[in-house]
Amino acid sequence: AQRVTQPEKLLSVFKGAPVELKCNYSYSGSPELFWYVQYSRQRLQLLLRHISRESIKGFTADLNKGETSFHLKKPFSQEEDSAMYYCALSGDNTDKLIFGTGTRLQVFP
Amino acid sequence: EPEVTQTPSHQVTQMGQEVILRCVPISNHLYFYWYRQILGQKVEFLVSFYNNEISEKSEIFDDQFSVERPDGSNFTLKIRSTKLEDSAMYFCASSEGWPTPNEQFFGPGTRLTVL
Repeated sequence: AQRVTQPEKLLSVFKGAPVELKCNYSYSGSPELFWYVQYSRQRLQLLLRHISRESIKGFTADLNKGETSFHLKKPFSQEEDSAMYYCALSGDNTDKLIFGTGTRLQVFP
Repeated sequence: EPEVTQTPSHQVTQMGQEVILRCVPISNHLYFYWYRQILGQKVEFLVSFYNNEISEKSEIFDDQFSVERPDGSNFTLKIRSTKLEDSAMYFCASSEGWPTPNEQFFGPGTRLTVL
């Protein structure tokens, strides 16, 4: 079954602390993995995708096929990182996105 | 920067009534999607649409649901006879194309409340 699991509903840190938002997936083929972010009162927007191998707003994510994970990391968090983060996948022969339940990141001053 | 727009932002309806949720995708995009998010639950795929026909749908997208692109700009989701469990946030999205995994741009959502 195709599934995305985000085990943490809420992650709270103080500004400057590192953050790691966990994402594990289950997919039988070759998935494409994404992180979407939703800031307060804003729409869902793409943060990054694994094929781009880029860093956006200081965030990176590495696809680990052995552990079926795509954890999102940032070494030094900022208050403006506070948002809802959704891990999602799409697969071969489909472009639908399968989302995880999301993790709310709170970065305190 | 172009954005996906959705109207209305909030729709309240009585159970059994028909509702039409409207979306205007980004103008040069070719693929269109509807997702929904029941309060407290994950965002779920409903349907994808390309070249004036449904390309994929989920098991949620039963005979009560339909989609249409009535003109060159709008993309609509119709629910024929709403149920209480249809209450959710409905998101429209569009993308330039597939098979390369292009970014799906999301609208702000329509909150549907069925009483």
